[in-house]
Amino acid sequence: GDKVKQSPSALSLQEGTNSALRCNFSIAATTVQWFLQNPRGSLMNLFYLVPGTKENGRLKSAFDSKESYSTLHIRDAQLEDSGTYFCAAEPSLLSGSFNKLTFGAGTRLAVCP
Amino acid sequence: EAAVTQSPRNKVAVTGGKVTLSCNQTNNHNNMYWYRQDTGHGLRLIHYSYGAGSTEKGDIPDGYKASRPSQENFSLILELATPSQTSVYFCASGHGLGAETLYFGSGTRLTVL
Repeated sequence: GDKVKQSPSALSLQEGTNSALRCNFSIAATTVQWFLQNPRGSLMNLFYLVPGTKENGRLKSAFDSKESYSTLHIRDAQLEDSGTYFCAAEPSLLSGSFNKLTFGAGTRLAVCP
Repeated sequence: EAAVTQSPRNKVAVTGGKVTLSCNQTNNHNNMYWYRQDTGHGLRLIHYSYGAGSTEKGDIPDGYKASRPSQENFSLILELATPSQTSVYFCASGHGLGAETLYFGSGTRLTVL
């Protein structure tokens, strides 16, 4: 929703190119997660982040809690990277062990040959 | 990999009817969640649970009830279904021990006529 804004809303990439997706938070996010929903509808967790960066293969994500944003970088995009990418923020550690995530509306990515 | 199974995969219901969506997880996770996904909104939290016998209201609980009869099972109940509840519903689980990664089911597409 409005508390988590993702950009761009949609993106088309040529296979082999690089790009970055962004989330801006209007809430005080303490942790961030990135998910990929594939074209069949299944949701997969990509990253769980406290402030800092993580890398996994061709994906790299960063979370800056002071500036209230997170990014997901895709390097050498492949056809199987197509789908909708969601970021989700956990607003407060006071929520205890519950992962009360607030999701963005998603970025639809199409990777073309 | 956590296994979260939802049933049914698709459901058509009539306005005013009762609908029960079921979720089963086999990894002994403490926390379970029900989300709905609508275009432009990402995922929104309906109800969640931190263990057998507990249910808590999420961000959009109106019109929904939840039941957690066991560690493995978490149901979402629509006592009087309305067309506005037409959506795709996702169940998720997490261990609830901090740095919690969510594992999602494949979703249930519900149409209320």
